[in-house]
Amino acid sequence: DGGITQSPKYLFRKEGQNVTLSCEQNLNHDAMYWYRQDPGQGLRLIYYSQIVNDFQKGDIAEGYSVSREKKESFPLTVTSAQKNPTAFYLCASKILAGAGAQYFGPGTRLLVL
Amino acid sequence: QQQVKQSPQSLIVQKGGISIINCAYENTAFDYFPWYQQFPGKGPALLIAIRPDVSEKKEGRFTISFNKSAKQFSLHIMDSQPGDSATYFCAASKETSGSRLTFGEGTQLTVNP
Repeated sequence: DGGITQSPKYLFRKEGQNVTLSCEQNLNHDAMYWYRQDPGQGLRLIYYSQIVNDFQKGDIAEGYSVSREKKESFPLTVTSAQKNPTAFYLCASKILAGAGAQYFGPGTRLLVL
Repeated sequence: QQQVKQSPQSLIVQKGGISIINCAYENTAFDYFPWYQQFPGKGPALLIAIRPDVSEKKEGRFTISFNKSAKQFSLHIMDSQPGDSATYFCAASKETSGSRLTFGEGTQLTVNP
């Protein structure tokens, strides 16, 4: 069953704590993306990666970090430097070459305790 | 500034009616224009997409109209159904720039029975 999986579905963060959101895809896609969605708003790009061991900052990268050690995986860490982390986080992937859409995972909702 | 402006913010339509959502973009280098449908608590799903070499694309009840000179594109949902009630996002990208999607702010569509 191909697709993009994100875990956990809900995540709670305490003050000063780093948390990591998982994103895995078995679509053999080259590029992967992380977006943040706030209530009633569009999607804002946090980080993206086109190949393994390489990634670029998006529009709102401050307070976040990523790694891309495997083609299938692109975890996002929300650090304690991110002062307003409560949001819905969405991972997406895409075949890099040529035209094509980004396909999204089911999302992780992060809440602050 | 690579913005995509979407309107209206919310839309209420009667069952069987036509829903129309509009988007305008600024960057003439954009060459890929997808529409996504998102249900509450879920990730966005690709609905339909168009490239600027055609003025219209139809898939079932969903049609994209594209006006390159006006830098505008719109989504038409014919025979709208209550199951179409969701948030719709337009987006745009330049395929040679790492396929970064720039999203509109979304339209919340409600189709009344």
